[in-house]
Amino acid sequence: RKEVEQDPGPFNVPEGATVAFNCTYSNSASQSFFWYRQDCRKEPKLLMSVYSSGNEDGRFTAQLNRASQYISLLIRDSKLSDSATYLCVVIYQGGSEKLVFGKGTKLTVNP
Amino acid sequence: DGGITQSPKYLFRKEGQNVTLSCEQNLNHDAMYWYRQDPGQGLRLIYYSQIVNDFQKGDIAEGYSVSREKKESFPLTVTSAQKNPTAFYLCASSIGDRAYEQYFGPGTRLTVT
Repeated sequence: RKEVEQDPGPFNVPEGATVAFNCTYSNSASQSFFWYRQDCRKEPKLLMSVYSSGNEDGRFTAQLNRASQYISLLIRDSKLSDSATYLCVVIYQGGSEKLVFGKGTKLTVNP
Repeated sequence: DGGITQSPKYLFRKEGQNVTLSCEQNLNHDAMYWYRQDPGQGLRLIYYSQIVNDFQKGDIAEGYSVSREKKESFPLTVTSAQKNPTAFYLCASSIGDRAYEQYFGPGTRLTVT
């Protein structure tokens, strides 16, 4: 089983739709969780952290379920500019704080 | 403007040649990283350095080498021993105790034929 797994998509949704991505992780020692965004042929950028209590940033909501070992990202009222690949990232406790990236979920928002 | 620069953006080499990819940052970050991204794959860590003159192997270090002689610079050499060198190479940096917030350079697309 891969360390971090995501549905690769692609997800094609109309503008204004609500879309959700899930990500599962295999190592229960995982400590920290994040979502990065990567535009086509560009570098990844940190989108948001994921806290145990869940957190919201505008139209984006991130949730963590430690018992089931998955995190989610919900995008409400999607915009054309949300089209990108969303990368799930996990950090394991262990001193090196190495980031483990999922393969990403591709989202295309259509007019 | 602070940031990370990688050059060149596109690089073409013949098989059997070593090639060095440049990565420079002026963010005063302690830690620097090299990743490789292949189509349909997640980013994979090649090498990382948390301090000058020290670096550690990541998950796929074979066929690569690095140096960290200056805080600002972390060049990556792709040697002829790397069996599948064609890929998108991304350099990143972070403040020492905030490894989760990595700032990435624009990447170098290396094609080896």
